[in-house]
Amino acid sequence: KNEVEQSPQNLTAQEGEFITINCSYSVGISALHWLQQHPGGGIVSLFMLSSGKKKHGRLIATINIQEKHSSLHITASHPRDSAVYICAVSRAQGGGADGLTFGKGTHLIIQP
Amino acid sequence: ETGVTQTPRHLVMGMTNKKSLKCEQHLGHNAMYWYKQSAKKPLELMFVYNFKEQTENNSVPSRFSPECPNSSHLFLHLHTLQPEDSALYLCASSQNPGRTDTQYFGPGTRLTVL
Repeated sequence: KNEVEQSPQNLTAQEGEFITINCSYSVGISALHWLQQHPGGGIVSLFMLSSGKKKHGRLIATINIQEKHSSLHITASHPRDSAVYICAVSRAQGGGADGLTFGKGTHLIIQP
Repeated sequence: ETGVTQTPRHLVMGMTNKKSLKCEQHLGHNAMYWYKQSAKKPLELMFVYNFKEQTENNSVPSRFSPECPNSSHLFLHLHTLQPEDSALYLCASSQNPGRTDTQYFGPGTRLTVL
């Protein structure tokens, strides 16, 4: 079993729909990251969070540390949101930069 | 140039070749990372460098040899690779090795080993 699990693996929705992607993890973490990867490979960091909720434009990320679970929501989805969304965690450890541990990603397609 | 750059963007090599991947960050960061993304598998960490010192090697085979001459540059030297090493190799950087920070990724090098 992977240390970071995402669901669903694939999601196709209509423009305007509310999207939710889930992530659960089984290790102690110092932070959880949501990343976006477009075709061609480039990865952009959307959020880094260790508690509560963050919002940026139409994107909202939440985390429940006790339940080891995070969700990424997209409101008023648009075809340009089509991408792979990846959940990753920084492990809890003392000092030093943290390499990330990744989920398998959610391939999202928003149809016009 | 801004952000994190990687060269080359595409590389095809034979199993007996020696090649190098280059990463450069223009963000003033002090931590750099190599990641590998194979088809149908999650991204996986390869190496971490803090202030030019390697602090993590995620059980990477010795045919991959990293080098970090300064905080802005990171190389991945490749030799005697196998076809299963074909993947997208991504470099990333973050600001402060002493804490968890947002990581900034380069565009990646798409490597094909024949």
